[in-house]
Amino acid sequence: SQQGEEDPQALSIQEGENATMNCSYKTSINNLQWYRQNSGRGLVHLILIRSNEREKHSGRLRVTLDTSKKSSSLLITASRAADTASYFCALGRYNQGGKLIFGQGTELSVKP
Amino acid sequence: KAGVTQTPRYLIKTRGQQVTLSCSPISGHRSVSWYQQTPGQGLQFLFEYFSETQRNKGNFPGRFSGRQFSNSRSEMNVSTLELGDSALYLCASSLAQATTSGRAEFGPGTRLTVT
Repeated sequence: SQQGEEDPQALSIQEGENATMNCSYKTSINNLQWYRQNSGRGLVHLILIRSNEREKHSGRLRVTLDTSKKSSSLLITASRAADTASYFCALGRYNQGGKLIFGQGTELSVKP
Repeated sequence: KAGVTQTPRYLIKTRGQQVTLSCSPISGHRSVSWYQQTPGQGLQFLFEYFSETQRNKGNFPGRFSGRQFSNSRSEMNVSTLELGDSALYLCASSLAQATTSGRAEFGPGTRLTVT
């Protein structure tokens, strides 16, 4: 399958805890992006990491990419109830134009 | 600046009918992509338009079509609706191609229900 596979499918944590979501894939990629979706609404772009990068940070978000293992992880530190959402990884490949291949997502629930 | 807008936001249609969804990208964005999201199949790529030309197409039947206008606004059409077409249809815009420009901005989606 070309699409990313995410685990866990669902994650429930307490406010203040860290949340880690993983994305694995089988094909070569040029970049990997993470998006957030609140309850069936539009997707919000969180962060992009290119294939020649290993780690990126944005606020409370930390993304790593291991191209040898074909995997990426998204870490949300000090989670808040407002972080409750579904998180998707999306694979970008230059030879596929603007097509993003999405994983099935991780549903994160942060309890106050 | 204004985000990606999609109209209508909600739509109820009957099997066999056709439907047209509209997407207005962020000003200056030339690439528009469409995705279908269902609980069973997740987010599936439909097609991408850039400067009025379809540049990429997903694995959907010919009942799904689209176009892009000179102002970059895009429409997608689904003919002979089937129950399985019930989904959230998302439009995304980007400066160039999402995979090269780095990010795609998504609209709020159109929730289509086919009865």
